[in-house]
Amino acid sequence: DAGITQSPRHKVTETGTPVTLRCHQTENHRYMYWYRQDPGHGLRLIHYSYGVKDTDKGEVSDGYSVSRSKTEDFLLTLESATSSQTSVYFCAISGQGLGAFFGQGTRLTVV
Amino acid sequence: ILNVEQSPQSLHVQEGDSTNFTCSFPSSNFYALHWYRWETAKSPEALFVMTLNGDEKKKGRISATLNTKEGYSYLYIKGSQPEDSATYLCAFIGGANNLFFGTGTRLTVIP
Repeated sequence: DAGITQSPRHKVTETGTPVTLRCHQTENHRYMYWYRQDPGHGLRLIHYSYGVKDTDKGEVSDGYSVSRSKTEDFLLTLESATSSQTSVYFCAISGQGLGAFFGQGTRLTVV
Repeated sequence: ILNVEQSPQSLHVQEGDSTNFTCSFPSSNFYALHWYRWETAKSPEALFVMTLNGDEKKKGRISATLNTKEGYSYLYIKGSQPEDSATYLCAFIGGANNLFFGTGTRLTVIP
């Protein structure tokens, strides 16, 4: 398995609370991505990173922020969680010209 | 938002039948096209990374072709088996190396 782990794997939180999901890689890949998976939508890109401190928005970035202070970690933060952010979140990594490797996913429930 | 479309959305075939799916994507600013296989309760796994117009890739009974000028890729499965049941995703990679996924084709192979 590629060295990519997500934490936590499951989380239940209340509306309005901040939440941070962590993606950690040991592959030294340059590119890291955060996706959310919802029925009927497949995988939608939230944010991605192309290097330390280099990030950009994806197609569903509203309500999310990210940080990448070192190569191995890419954090996704929900500043004030809403019920519409209940989803399964996947982190992915890729090197130049390589297919992406995915983490195991984080199931987030906002109540 | 990039328009990456996959068809059909779902497909049921009998064991032993051959089948194919389509991925259509923007023909401009193309960098690569990926195919992934996604089994229930697991993470997506890369099948093919395709970069050149006319590329053909093969892995066992699964193969893929790429037409970057007209913006489509086909995935073929020869002699489908029950273990081929999964969702097949394609992802378009543009100049910024962000991966935009289609919504997938869910394949069910009936024994």
